[in-house]
Amino acid sequence: DQQVKQNSPSLSVQEGRISILNCDYTNSMFDYFLWYKKYPAEGPTFLISISSIKDKNEDGRFTVFLNKSAKHLSLHIVPSQPGDSAVYFCAARGTYKYIFGTGTRLKVLA
Amino acid sequence: DTAVSQTPKYLVTQMGNDKSIKCEQNLGHDTMYWYKQDSKKFLKIMFSYNNKELIINETVPNRFSPKSPDKAHLNLHINSLELGDSAVYFCASSQLAGGSTGELFFGEGSRLTVL
Repeated sequence: DQQVKQNSPSLSVQEGRISILNCDYTNSMFDYFLWYKKYPAEGPTFLISISSIKDKNEDGRFTVFLNKSAKHLSLHIVPSQPGDSAVYFCAARGTYKYIFGTGTRLKVLA
Repeated sequence: DTAVSQTPKYLVTQMGNDKSIKCEQNLGHDTMYWYKQDSKKFLKIMFSYNNKELIINETVPNRFSPKSPDKAHLNLHINSLELGDSAVYFCASSQLAGGSTGELFFGEGSRLTVL
């Protein structure tokens, strides 16, 4: 039972445009939602998070939106840069565990 | 000064052997975890420890035995290694009480290859 889902395994975007990565979840008890970026042979790196009591959080080029009624969150990257090319994981924090989605590979084309 | 460090980074061994991976965090966090990233690149939780106590064992075979000698360390020992144990194992830590981001901090991973 996959409680956190990323339905798009890959996404290609032109440099300078917006990248939108999506994530759906099923458990209403999660208290934080997070986005991580991962390069090969490295550990996941934290990008941005949002508390379940908020609907938007912004940090520089990264904005996370949370729609609790739809159990959906998204990560917007504006403007996208070639260095943003990586695998992005969304995660949700439950009781003593974080559950990860299956990842979306973002490719930003120069 | 690495926040979450794990050793070794690479491990190649034969089926049936026993091996250990060590993890240390210097962030003062109260909760530590082991995650497995399999061949499909999924990140799955294996164990979580809070203040040295096992909280979650996510149906991991008992060939895997985590040990937390103190809050800053969580080691993973694997007995009788099988081919299917080949994966990247990530240690992580977090502070469940307080904090403003809910962030989970990861180590760099330990790639285990069983031949």
